[in-house]
Amino acid sequence: DQQVKQNSPSLSVQEGRISILNCDYTNSMFDYFLWYKKYPAEGPTFLISISSIKDKNEDGRFTVFLNKSAKHLSLHIVPSQPGDSAVYFCAASAWTYKYIFGTGTRLKVLA
Amino acid sequence: KAGVTQTPRYLIKTRGQQVTLSCSPISGHRSVSWYQQTPGQGLQFLFEYFSETQRNKGNFPGRFSGRQFSNSRSEMNVSTLELGDSALYLCASSSNLDSFVGNTIYFGEGSWLTVV
Repeated sequence: DQQVKQNSPSLSVQEGRISILNCDYTNSMFDYFLWYKKYPAEGPTFLISISSIKDKNEDGRFTVFLNKSAKHLSLHIVPSQPGDSAVYFCAASAWTYKYIFGTGTRLKVLA
Repeated sequence: KAGVTQTPRYLIKTRGQQVTLSCSPISGHRSVSWYQQTPGQGLQFLFEYFSETQRNKGNFPGRFSGRQFSNSRSEMNVSTLELGDSALYLCASSSNLDSFVGNTIYFGEGSWLTVV
């Protein structure tokens, strides 16, 4: 049972445009969410987080939106840059000392 | 501040052998967790340690084990290796004290294990 889903395996966006990566979850107990970026042969790099008491968090070009009623979160990258090309993972936690990760979305930013 | 350090980075083992992977967390971090990444599977949680105590364990067979030392360094061991154990093993550390919620975990570069 995949509790955290990233239904788009890949996404291509033109440089300078907005990239929107989506993540759905099924467990209503999840209350903290993270986004990571991963390049090949490297470990995941933390990007941004959001707590369930918020519906939006911004950090530079990255904004995460949380819709608790829809059990959906999204990561917006504006403007997208070629260096953003990577695999993006969302992760969720619910007081269990572990994170559940999605299967990732491969973002390709076209120059 | 040094990041999470994992050793070795790459290793090849034969089916039936065992392997030990090592992780040094970010200085001051007391929580260490381990994840397995295989192609198309995302990251699967193995276990998490805090102050030498395992607080949670994922759905992996007993061949997968771990431990944490008093200096917060951690090791994981896989015994009787199978071909399906070939994966990237990632260690992450967190600065959480007595509550896990709201704590970001920071990953190391990972250890690539190939079982032949």
